[in-house]
Amino acid sequence: EVQLVESGGGLVQPGGSLRLSCAASGFTVSSNYMSWVRQAPGKGLEWVSVIYSGGSTYYADSVKGRFTISRHNSKNTLYLQMNSLRAEDTAVYYCARDNRSFYDAFDIWGQGTMVTVSS
Amino acid sequence: QSVLTQPPSVSGAPGQRVTISCTGSSSNIGAGYDVHWYQQLPGTAPKLLIYGNSNRPSGVPDRFSGSKSGTSASLAITGLQAEDEADYYCQSYDSSLSGPNYVFGTGTKVTVL
Repeated sequence: EVQLVESGGGLVQPGGSLRLSCAASGFTVSSNYMSWVRQAPGKGLEWVSVIYSGGSTYYADSVKGRFTISRHNSKNTLYLQMNSLRAEDTAVYYCARDNRSFYDAFDIWGQGTMVTVSS
Repeated sequence: QSVLTQPPSVSGAPGQRVTISCTGSSSNIGAGYDVHWYQQLPGTAPKLLIYGNSNRPSGVPDRFSGSKSGTSASLAITGLQAEDEADYYCQSYDSSLSGPNYVFGTGTKVTVL
């Protein structure tokens, strides 16, 4: 079965760090474009970051310089290292596969992991 | 902030047809980038509903259809059912000098009366 399972969310103080993981099954992370998308409580979806199959990485301006996307090929897992966290980073974080065959639509989503930044 | 604008809410009785608009600009939809639509049921992750403006993934009922024209796109739901009550988001791509920029719409809540 093709699926994504996130983990690593939790409560962290402002200025703190957290690393999210996204374990994939049924397909190879390194062969796909993989993104992180977040959703603040009661708000809409916001793209956060993408890693291309070739390894290039890109970020939304709101997280640039603070977040780092990466992957571990042998573990077939995607990561998001979040540093210098702010209250406005509070959200459910989803990992998603960008399917090139679907005109770059996000066809597979994880269940999400909640990150709360608060003192 | 979202660069694609959707109506906050739409509603309809069971069996009716509703449409959701997604308005962009010349740097995203109007630049020729594809539009995708997602359905988010309460408390769940988004689910791909329409990709490439008008294509349905396997398993999505043909009650859902998408179209695109100029700087806008639309999602239509015909034969509205109670299970269609959810939030719907459009998504495209915005040209930027700093790299890829995936953009989402503001979201529309569909209520079945």
